[in-house]
Amino acid sequence: DTAVSQTPKYLVTQMGNDKSIKCEQNLGHDTMYWYKQDSKKFLKIMFSYNNKELIINETVPNRFSPKSPDKAHLNLHINSLELGDSAVYFCASSQDRGHYGVEQYFGPGTRLTVT
Amino acid sequence: KNEVEQSPQNLTAQEGEFITINCSYSVGISALHWLQQHPGGGIVSLFMLSSGKKKHGRLIATINIQEKHSSLHITASHPRDSAVYICAVGGTSYGKLTFGQGTILTVHP
Repeated sequence: DTAVSQTPKYLVTQMGNDKSIKCEQNLGHDTMYWYKQDSKKFLKIMFSYNNKELIINETVPNRFSPKSPDKAHLNLHINSLELGDSAVYFCASSQDRGHYGVEQYFGPGTRLTVT
Repeated sequence: KNEVEQSPQNLTAQEGEFITINCSYSVGISALHWLQQHPGGGIVSLFMLSSGKKKHGRLIATINIQEKHSSLHITASHPRDSAVYICAVGGTSYGKLTFGQGTILTVHP
């Protein structure tokens, strides 16, 4: 069974459209994340949810809205897509262990191309 | 300057060589992570460490908290080790990771 899954794997869409990426984890973790990887392979945190509560919200345009219907799912909705949104988006999860550091498990990524 | 700096950015080696990738960071951390990103794009966690040294097969990771430096070593490198290796540091905020820019490793047969 896949631990962290994302759908779709590839997403090609036009500027101005609204799209969603879904993420599910079956590890029983209580914290989930969205990361963006740019064309230079640099990863950056976007959001983090712990038990359905938003706890990290980095400087991300308001067009990006995460939604966590339950602690096993964290979806990313993007409004009015722009060319600069083209990237690979990774979902990850971890079992929160406070300040001792937590190992994260990554999904396979969703390659978003905005034309 | 990034909070997490890796060197080198690109590394080419011959099969069998000993490889070292370095990571320096400038912030307080709870743990340091080494990740591997395969050419197909998936990301796998290799190590998480907050002190000393860890070993898994041909991979060894070390960290020096005082010097804020970590190294990832690969012994007897193999072409299947070709990947991007990413250093990331975790703070105390629910596992928030700050990433280095990655090291692209290519091992030739």
